[in-house]
This record gives sequence, structure tokens and C-alpha cells, in this order.
Amino acid sequence: EDQVTQSPEALRLQEGESSSLNCSYTVSGLRGLFWYRQDPGKGPEFLFTLYSAGEEKEKERLKATLTKKESFLHITAPKPEDSATYLCAVQAAGDDKIIFGKGTRLHILP
Amino acid sequence: GAVVSQHPSRVICKSGTSVKIECRSLDFQATTMFWYRQFPKQSLMLMATSNEGSKATYEQGVEKDKFLINHASLTLSTLTVTSAHPEDSSFYICSARVGGGAFTGELFFGEGSRLTVL
Repeated sequence: EDQVTQSPEALRLQEGESSSLNCSYTVSGLRGLFWYRQDPGKGPEFLFTLYSAGEEKEKERLKATLTKKESFLHITAPKPEDSATYLCAVQAAGDDKIIFGKGTRLHILP
Repeated sequence: GAVVSQHPSRVICKSGTSVKIECRSLDFQATTMFWYRQFPKQSLMLMATSNEGSKATYEQGVEKDKFLINHASLTLSTLTVTSAHPEDSSFYICSARVGGGAFTGELFFGEGSRLTVL
């Protein structure tokens, strides 16, 4: 069964304190791994797609990396506006469905 | 980027009534839309896949007679919660995929609809 596990469940950081969020996945052939940001009471906002191990994508203070078993979302020198829930999702080859993890609630303290 | 609009954003209804939620792709045609349900601090749970011009495909455990999905055009899908009960209270989110064919592309989400059933 395809599965996505994110850790930690919640993370509190001081402004400027870099860290990484983890997404472990089990899927029968990965078509794509996605990262989304979700603010309270809002729909998720697309951040990145990664397709193969070794791939990296960057956007402002965020960098996503991918291995054969997991993905990391690195956040460098975060700011309070980076506070949100970050969701990881995977799509298996030959499947329409995208399966989401439970997310990591990130809180950046000023 | 692709814009998906969802309406209403909040709805409160009495138990036993039906509620319709609309999902529109504003600047692209979406042959496939997805409906998710999200409980507080939980993941998005896929309810059904909606294909334009055909019947929706429901996930295991989702009652198709209770959650009616219609995808009558390339820009509009609707979810109707029939005979709603308090346990149906949740955050419902639609999404659409840009691109088609063999490559599925990313999902773009609506703003979500908070349903509260009294």
C-alpha cells in the first residue's frame, strides 16, 4: 500500500534557525513527489515537484531534495511568514491518485 | 499560475439538508478534478476523482449516494452533500490538474469550503 509519512508533526523554530522537514514514502513506482504549503483555513499551495532521486528544487528560502525513500524540505533562515503546514504528497506510476502525508506544522517565532 | 475557485468558502446548514459546493478552474480547462476532505490536523483524504462528462470514481468507504459529484463542463465540478449530518462537518477542498495525457502534472487547489452541519 502506498504511504506517506511526514516528520516531525510540528516544529517550532526561531527566526533565522534553519532546519529540515522529512517525508518518507512507500510507493510502487514513483511518478512524482510534491510539496505543498497550507495556511490555516486555506487550500494547499503548490511548491515543488520532484521526479527522480538526486533531484533538487529551490524557491526562496526553501529547497526540496529527493532520494529513493524520502524527501527533505530544507528551510534556510526562516521568517515568521514561513509559518504554515507543509504537506508532502506522492503519485504512483500508472495512477491518477495523489496521496498526502499528514503534514508538518511549522511555526517560526520572531 | 493556475487558479481554482471554490464556493462557498463557509456554509452552515441544518441536519438533513443538502449542500452544494462548486469548484471552477478559472484560467484553464480541467478534464479531471479531485475532491478531498480534511479534518483538523489531519491529512487530505481523497474522496473521489471527477472526470468531465463521465461518472466520478469514488474512493473506498466514500458513499457515492451521499456525496454526489457532477463534472458537467471542463471548468466546473460540483460536490453535493445530501442529507447532511453533523459527522459530515469538515473542510472540503477541490483540486484540478493542469495538463493531461501521460503526464499528470501538479495539483492546484481551491480555497476550500468549511461545512458545519448543526
